[in-house]
Amino acid sequence: GAVVSQHPSWVICKSGTSVKIECRSLDFQATTMFWYRQFPKQSLMLMATSNEGSKATYEQGVEKDKFLINHASLTLSTLTVTSAHPEDSSFYICSWDRGYGYTFGSGTRLTIV
Amino acid sequence: GIQVEQSPPDLILQEGANSTLRCNFSDSVNNLQWFHQNPWGQLINLFYIPSGTKQNGRLSATTVATERYSLLYISSSQTTDSGVYFCAATGNQFYFGTGTSLTVIP
Repeated sequence: GAVVSQHPSWVICKSGTSVKIECRSLDFQATTMFWYRQFPKQSLMLMATSNEGSKATYEQGVEKDKFLINHASLTLSTLTVTSAHPEDSSFYICSWDRGYGYTFGSGTRLTIV
Repeated sequence: GIQVEQSPPDLILQEGANSTLRCNFSDSVNNLQWFHQNPWGQLINLFYIPSGTKQNGRLSATTVATERYSLLYISSSQTTDSGVYFCAATGNQFYFGTGTSLTVIP
């Protein structure tokens, strides 16, 4: 149980394009989910907390207009990196709060060239 | 926010050896989890352990909430145990530790 599907697994895009990452819970529903970013050899840093039906809460230093979060339902959330640049290259991972632990997606490795 | 520190930052073991990873947290937490991040980046949940001791095969974990630390024990290590181990604690959000990079050599 507690399966999370995250797509795509990896993506390479040209600078200036927008990239959408999808995170879907397959066998449970949850109100709250989180988006993290991880740079090489570093820990996971929380980008934003999202509740279904509400605007996301972004951590300090994370641009809300650049990282658009759409939490459409209790099982689906998307992160769109708008006008991506090489410094946005990172590993992005989503997580759902099941109330008794967190379940993570498999991550998306984003490379902007 | 809660500060979560892990030690050691790097660890190299001979296959078959045992090890203990430590996670210290700066404030009371509602939840603590241990994860193994494999070379592809996927986070594998090892333990949900806000307090007490749990065991799963060669792995076990103990959290002493009153003293604000948790330990992850790996016994008879295997090369497949290599990767980064994170602990994460929940206060008002989920805070990840700094990680321990484990390399098990044959």
